[in-house]
Amino acid sequence: AQTVTQSQPEMSVQEAETVTLSCTYDTSESDYYLFWYKQPPSRQMILVIRQEAYKQQNATENRFSVNFQKAAKSFSLKISDSQLGDAAMYFCAYQDVTDKLIFGTGTRLQVFP
Amino acid sequence: DAGITQSPRHKVTETGTPVTLRCHQTENHRYMYWYRQDPGHGLRLIHYSYGVKDTDKGEVSDGYSVSRSKTEDFLLTLESATSSQTSVYFCAISTGTGRVTEAFFGQGTRLTVV
Repeated sequence: AQTVTQSQPEMSVQEAETVTLSCTYDTSESDYYLFWYKQPPSRQMILVIRQEAYKQQNATENRFSVNFQKAAKSFSLKISDSQLGDAAMYFCAYQDVTDKLIFGTGTRLQVFP
Repeated sequence: DAGITQSPRHKVTETGTPVTLRCHQTENHRYMYWYRQDPGHGLRLIHYSYGVKDTDKGEVSDGYSVSRSKTEDFLLTLESATSSQTSVYFCAISTGTGRVTEAFFGQGTRLTVV
């Protein structure tokens, strides 16, 4: 069975600094998708970034980028120039060709001024 | 929000009573999911559906059943609610169309079993 592991329950960063959130996953599939979702206190789930496993190039969305290491089954999220509005729970998620969507346990990010 | 509506948004129920949560979508997406969110556990998949009357179990399906008689509605039933089922429940849909896939979530239902 596929699993997603986020080993950092909490992280903190100073405003304008850079922080990296870790995620590892386990799968025997070769074709799949990986995601980072943000959940602010409003409970809304917001897609931050998506990576297709067949693409070697790391995905980037403005201040958010990933380091995708397929062989190591690692998918970390880097947030550059952190802002107060980045404070939230961040979930790593995996989806394969069956479309089952599996989440990690989350990392709570605090941003200090 | 991809037209996803969960109802009710909040519910308090007594132990042993059946409870049904409804997820409604307006865009005819094939894939729908029910998750529960608990501190320290993230979002855990309860059941999911890949079409009308096509459903499958997730990792925490015990005590839950689902039905999908129409594309737009995915119902989650707690057959006999227990205090361990106190949680926030999220419905999600996935576009799941070939190489383009993204999940959209409802606003969540906070269920308290007393």
